[in-house]
Amino acid sequence: SQELTQPPSVSVSPGLEARITCSGDSLPKQYAYWYQQKPGQPPVLVIYKDTKRPSGIPERFSGSSSGTTVTLTITGVQAEDEADYYCQTAVTTGPHAEVIFGGGTKLTVL
Amino acid sequence: EVQLVESGGALVQPGGSLRLSCAASGFTFSSHWMHWVRQAPGKGLVWVSQINPEGTITNYADSFKGRFTITRDNAKKLLFLELSDLRADDTALYYCARDPVGVGSSLYFENWGQGTVVTVSS
Repeated sequence: SQELTQPPSVSVSPGLEARITCSGDSLPKQYAYWYQQKPGQPPVLVIYKDTKRPSGIPERFSGSSSGTTVTLTITGVQAEDEADYYCQTAVTTGPHAEVIFGGGTKLTVL
Repeated sequence: EVQLVESGGALVQPGGSLRLSCAASGFTFSSHWMHWVRQAPGKGLVWVSQINPEGTITNYADSFKGRFTITRDNAKKLLFLELSDLRADDTALYYCARDPVGVGSSLYFENWGQGTVVTVSS
């Protein structure tokens, strides 16, 4: 089955830039999505269709795509951005669909 | 405001069954594909299943085919997940999630409930 690979952890100092990568063979053909999950809370969509930001998500969150890797970038990281981040894509084969999540990346704000 | 409220989680013995529910409000439930996603304690997100707005098309992750069944009641704005032959590794927080409106499933999740906890243990 398809897989998405994320680094387990990323650390960044406040005010700097954080980049979280997600790699997978299906990513050149399928959109990627990013979710933020804080402890004890459900995930929140922060990026959809590789680069789009839902309403209410701060502009410091952005997404990009290049080949088999997509990247979530947080510019000017704030303490409140400390969370787990998951990438997600989906693969359809005829009527069958499979949604795939990456293993998650814990972002630590130093 | 979109609200999704899961219920039905419980402590169940291995081999047992359970039905989870998700009550939807704040949007036209019958227009959206809906999903279940689970998260084992301290682990990542795992997609379980999806169902189309009419309740006539379903998809499951391979790991859950034959044991889990997704259904919906549009009149009551309820989404269900029937769990059977439960195992210890089914212990998880089960979320329902809303797919954006569109032609066909967009296969991502705009809104999530708070989840309901299923614990499988003797």
